[in-house]
Amino acid sequence: EPEVTQTPSHQVTQMGQEVILRCVPISNHLYFYWYRQILGQKVEFLVSFYNNEISEKSEIFDDQFSVERPDGSNFTLKIRSTKLEDSAMYFCASSRQGQALQYFGPGTRLTVT
Amino acid sequence: EDQVTQSPEALRLQEGESSSLNCSYTVSGLRGLFWYRQDPGKGPEFLFTLYSAGEEKEKERLKATLTKKESFLHITAPKPEDSATYLCAVLGNQGGKLIFGQGTELSVKP
Repeated sequence: EPEVTQTPSHQVTQMGQEVILRCVPISNHLYFYWYRQILGQKVEFLVSFYNNEISEKSEIFDDQFSVERPDGSNFTLKIRSTKLEDSAMYFCASSRQGQALQYFGPGTRLTVT
Repeated sequence: EDQVTQSPEALRLQEGESSSLNCSYTVSGLRGLFWYRQDPGKGPEFLFTLYSAGEEKEKERLKATLTKKESFLHITAPKPEDSATYLCAVLGNQGGKLIFGQGTELSVKP
């Protein structure tokens, strides 16, 4: 069964450093998403991406964040200058259509020290 | 503002003791309500999608129902392997983002 994959599973970085989180969505899906979950809190939407551009973003997704689909399979989230409060689980999701069922990856645990 | 509230926050059951989890929502134009299961340190795993009031879906020991204001996830004769956090999320008519509740952490003891 096709699944969303994410790498790395755990990333530790120092405050102010840049990190790139990687995702491989399900191959025939066209819509891609990033969510995050701070420990003990709700899963929160960050950004959605379709046809090589951002279709929607939340207030959390400020200028420090960017997304890219560098090739036909990968979808990345970059945080330019990490802050302590960026520590969270980051989940990638994909869907075949917009406003449809989203399948989630296993997540990347980001720890900023 | 779209909002999802789940109750209880935590539920402890004995194996075989049936119960229900609640998800109350307010959303501008419901396009779908989703139930996911999340194991510790893992991503949400899809269980059910419900689209309109009165709809019901079943899978093994789980049954999801939907009204205009809430959804229930009924667990019949649970087993220890059903222990997980159950997440409810809604999709409104404002874009493709899911709005999640805080989840119900279910623990089933043998």
